[in-house]
Order: sequence, then C-alpha cells, then structure tokens
Amino acid sequence: DTEVTQTPKHLVMGMTNKKSLKCEQHMGHRAMYWYKQKAKKPPELMFVYSYEKLSINESVPSRFSPECPNSSLLNLHLHALQPEDSALYLCASSRDRDYEQYFGPGTRLTVT
Amino acid sequence: ILNVEQSPQSLHVQEGDSTNFTCSFPSSNFYALHWYRWETAKSPEALFVMTLNGDEKKKGRISATLNTKEGYSYLYIKGSQPEDSATYLCAWPRYGGATNKLIFGTGTLLAVQP
Repeated sequence: DTEVTQTPKHLVMGMTNKKSLKCEQHMGHRAMYWYKQKAKKPPELMFVYSYEKLSINESVPSRFSPECPNSSLLNLHLHALQPEDSALYLCASSRDRDYEQYFGPGTRLTVT
Repeated sequence: ILNVEQSPQSLHVQEGDSTNFTCSFPSSNFYALHWYRWETAKSPEALFVMTLNGDEKKKGRISATLNTKEGYSYLYIKGSQPEDSATYLCAWPRYGGATNKLIFGTGTLLAVQP
C-alpha cells in the first residue's frame, strides 16, 4: 500500500467552526507533513512530524493545530479560521526525513 | 533569499515532441534535489531524488540531470504523450541532512496536445 489518504476531500466551514482534517498512511513512514497550497503557487510547508513528534512548525498561526496520535495518523485541527485560509491542504509522508515524499490528494478547504 | 526557480512557467508541445525544463536552486550546502509530477486532481508523485553532482536518473521516457556546483537540474521528456500533461515541480531541502524542509519551485505546467 503506497497510498496516503486524506479526508474529507472538500470542506466548507464558517469562521467560528471547529473542524479537523485527517491523513493516514500505512507504509511505515516515520515522517509526516502538512502543506498549504494556494492557487498557482507551490506547496508551502506548515508542519513536520518525525517519529510522532513535532519537529518543524513554520510559524503557523495557532488557529491551526496539528496532532499525530500514532505513526500512521496525522490530524490538523482548525478553529476560528479566516477566509484567506481557504486553500488546498496536502498531507505527505516519507520513510524518514530525508527521503522522497508521498502525497495525499489533499483537502480543498473553503472558509466562509 | 533562498529561492528555487523553474522555467519555463508553462509549455505547450505536440505529441511526440521531446521537451526539457530547468530548475535552479542555491548551490551552497547542497544535499538533494527532488522532482515531482502533479497531474490535475491527483496527488503530487515523486519522480526522482538526486544527490550526486553529475547524476543522471531515468524513469521510462523521463530523465533528469543534476549540476550541484552551478545549482541547476534539467528534466527531459522524450516523445511527449498526452498523459505527460502535468505540473512538474522541483524541490530543494533547505537545511540538508537535519531536516527535510522542502522548498518547492513554482513548477512548469506541461500541456501535450494529441
């Protein structure tokens, strides 16, 4: 199984809502990532988890809260988002920090 | 400023044409250079991870070369097919071995007309 899955595929939420994005992989990868991608721009790194510990936070606002419950799962909790947070959120994993990354299909988030 | 740049931004070719595009990256503290293909409505897919100066990698009709001293990599597609239509991204891990903090280029959008 070389797949990274993400749910939901699409999410529309209001600025006062709380929602979560989920990402799962069963490749035994020990590094997992969250990226944000706006239209016509490259993916921008948000967070890196290595061996289930947060190793990089790219100065992401606290309204985004990552969580890694176990080595296969990565969540991104969302609260009080702004319309400018609307984007494609991509999850990725890699065998370790220095290997090619496997990406999920993304969650298209719209904040109204 | 540590930028990863790709050119051209977009490319339209006919089926059967061969094509190539460029990724420029900072040559200091080089560790690796990644290439990804991103088809519309699909996940980005890793093509190559290149680490050695002068390295050449091949996957079917796609190949890539690497020059770490001058900070560029070329991606070649021989005999383009419509299914090659995608955005091709290169990515450079900024701090090398300690982290895999990929900095992506803006991509080259390839459209292959049948």
